[in-house]
Amino acid sequence: AQKVTQAQTEISVVEKEDVTLDCVYETRDTTYYLFWYKQPPSGELVFLIRRNSFDEQNEISGRYSWNFQKSTSSFNFTITASQVVDSAVYFCALSVFYAGGTSYGKLTFGQGTILTVHP
Amino acid sequence: SQTIHQWPATLVQPVGSPLSLECTVEGTSNPNLYWYRQAAGRGLQLLFYSVGIGQISSEVPQNLSASRPQDRQFILSSKKLLLSDSGFYLCAWSRGRPEAFFGQGTRLTVV
Repeated sequence: AQKVTQAQTEISVVEKEDVTLDCVYETRDTTYYLFWYKQPPSGELVFLIRRNSFDEQNEISGRYSWNFQKSTSSFNFTITASQVVDSAVYFCALSVFYAGGTSYGKLTFGQGTILTVHP
Repeated sequence: SQTIHQWPATLVQPVGSPLSLECTVEGTSNPNLYWYRQAAGRGLQLLFYSVGIGQISSEVPQNLSASRPQDRQFILSSKKLLLSDSGFYLCAWSRGRPEAFFGQGTRLTVV
């Protein structure tokens, strides 16, 4: 079975501060995928990024960056120079690979981290 | 581009009443379809998934059922709602890639 832990229940920062959201995962499978989703107040989950287990390259997209470390089973998400629009619930998720892609879309989610960015 | 529609957005139902939530996907064919539930203050839990018409797999035992009468239509149902069925229900799809794309969600309150 898979497990995703987001130890930070809530984080509050002031605009322009950098903030890192932690994610630790557990799986016995050797091929898996990690995701981050954003859930704004409207409720819809917005896909942000996917990393494959065989690709530990970190990624940067604008103010967002992701640090994937297999050695510590972590996939952390950093927002640089946070903005009020970043306020949302952020979810880390995991899925494992089954032949034929039958497991695509079957995600195990963490409990989420509520991020509040104050002006 | 692909879009996913889910309705209604909000629903208040009495205990013991039936339920039908509908989800449709546009812009793709033969997607995998999913129903997730998010209880208050918690993460999302996969309830059902479908890889094709009439093919439904249940992930957790519960009071709900799902059906896929058409390729891009996914329905979540219950014959008699329980208080514990309250939550935020999200439909999602995927096709050829590991990530899932979610609808706007339905907030169900059972009273």
